[in-house]
Amino acid sequence: AIQMTQSPSSLSASVGDRVTITCRASQGVRDDLGWYQQKPGKAPKLLIYAASILDSGVPSRFSGSGSGTDFTLTISSLQPEDFATYYCLQDYTYPWTFGQGTKVEIK
Amino acid sequence: QGQLVESGGGVVQPGRSLRLSCAASGFTFSDYGMYWVRQAPGKGLESVAVIWNDGSNNYYTDSVKGRFTISRDNSRSTVSLQMNSLRAEDTAVYFCAKVRSKGAFDIWGQGTMVTVSS
Repeated sequence: AIQMTQSPSSLSASVGDRVTITCRASQGVRDDLGWYQQKPGKAPKLLIYAASILDSGVPSRFSGSGSGTDFTLTISSLQPEDFATYYCLQDYTYPWTFGQGTKVEIK
Repeated sequence: QGQLVESGGGVVQPGRSLRLSCAASGFTFSDYGMYWVRQAPGKGLESVAVIWNDGSNNYYTDSVKGRFTISRDNSRSTVSLQMNSLRAEDTAVYFCAKVRSKGAFDIWGQGTMVTVSS
């Protein structure tokens, strides 16, 4: 199975900060990579698919980039509602695999 | 937009069975693959099983192969997960999720908790 490694595992940031989360695949996944946001007790929510395409209704402060093995999720100006855990997911080959998650906390 | 509602979770002893169901509405169910994803308490997400839109194929993660079976009824817009020989490590919230036309999970259920304990 393809292993997905996210970094950092957690970070502390302030409202208005620019935040970057990276995800590395153990082998190439083309651009078959998505990013999800999960808040405590809730189901994950799709933010970005195909590495860089924003899902409908997702604020434009979220952006994704990358291809092959290295990917990035950027939040350009962190808002109070963005404090959550973020996961990457490769949907290039089965089994689809998630990164271990990055928890974004309030500084 | 669509909605998914899971049911069937509960507390079960090791070695016993449980069947989860997921009812879909608001989209043409038979057009999309469906996945079960789980999350152990305090842990990350793990994809468990997928079934093609027409039920013609499926795939399981290694840890559940031979114990779990995914199925669907397109006439009722439901997908199920039959879980046999349950183990403590199967304890998790189980989500069903709809697969977009080209990858990614665009609709999730609220999840149902499965606890395997004696």
